[in-house]
Amino acid sequence: SQQGEEDPQALSIQEGENATMNCSYKTSINNLQWYRQNSGRGLVHLILIRSNEREKHSGRLRVTLDTSKKSSSLLITASRAADTASYFCATDTGNTPLVFGKGTRLSVIA
Amino acid sequence: DTGVSQDPRHKITKRGQNVTFRCDPISEHNRLYWYRQTLGQGPEFLTYFQNEAQLEKSRLLSDRFSAERPKGSFSTLEIQRTEQGDSAMYLCASSPGQLPRNTIYFGEGSWLTVV
Repeated sequence: SQQGEEDPQALSIQEGENATMNCSYKTSINNLQWYRQNSGRGLVHLILIRSNEREKHSGRLRVTLDTSKKSSSLLITASRAADTASYFCATDTGNTPLVFGKGTRLSVIA
Repeated sequence: DTGVSQDPRHKITKRGQNVTFRCDPISEHNRLYWYRQTLGQGPEFLTYFQNEAQLEKSRLLSDRFSAERPKGSFSTLEIQRTEQGDSAMYLCASSPGQLPRNTIYFGEGSWLTVV
């Protein structure tokens, strides 16, 4: 079963714009992670936010976490064509392996 | 290249045949995971190993699926009597098993097409 659910399922923006993707989950977590997947490739870890953190930055990425709403958002600022990919949130509930959502497909148009 | 390595990258097989995928994790990573991903979906957990011990198996892992990690290094995933519904990308991942827990590193995946 997939705990995380990303929204929107697909997003198309112009280069230079910001992209925001949301993730909702169902149960308490230890941490939440975001991964990126280029078409037909493996997933690459982007950023991890712990349950006691509310915001985290890494380069052009900004992640927020609201445990009361069981939701997270990933913001990519000043998007580039190379950011075109699928983005997945994954939840760590403790002793079980990561559970991934269905992903948001981001298209950045040059 | 010291990343997770998977072989083969692509496999086309006839229904009813057996297939085996191999995964070489990042050196010294003691946890190894197998996930399955179909088009438009996120990865779904199949099974994972801590060293050579298989610690958890998903309900998705039917009797036709078997995974091994005999010496705690590489792993194999075998699918017997393949069905068309087995067509998917099979992803292997590894982690050092230490904090931050469960940040995992994926290979490029093995695509399976059952015809």
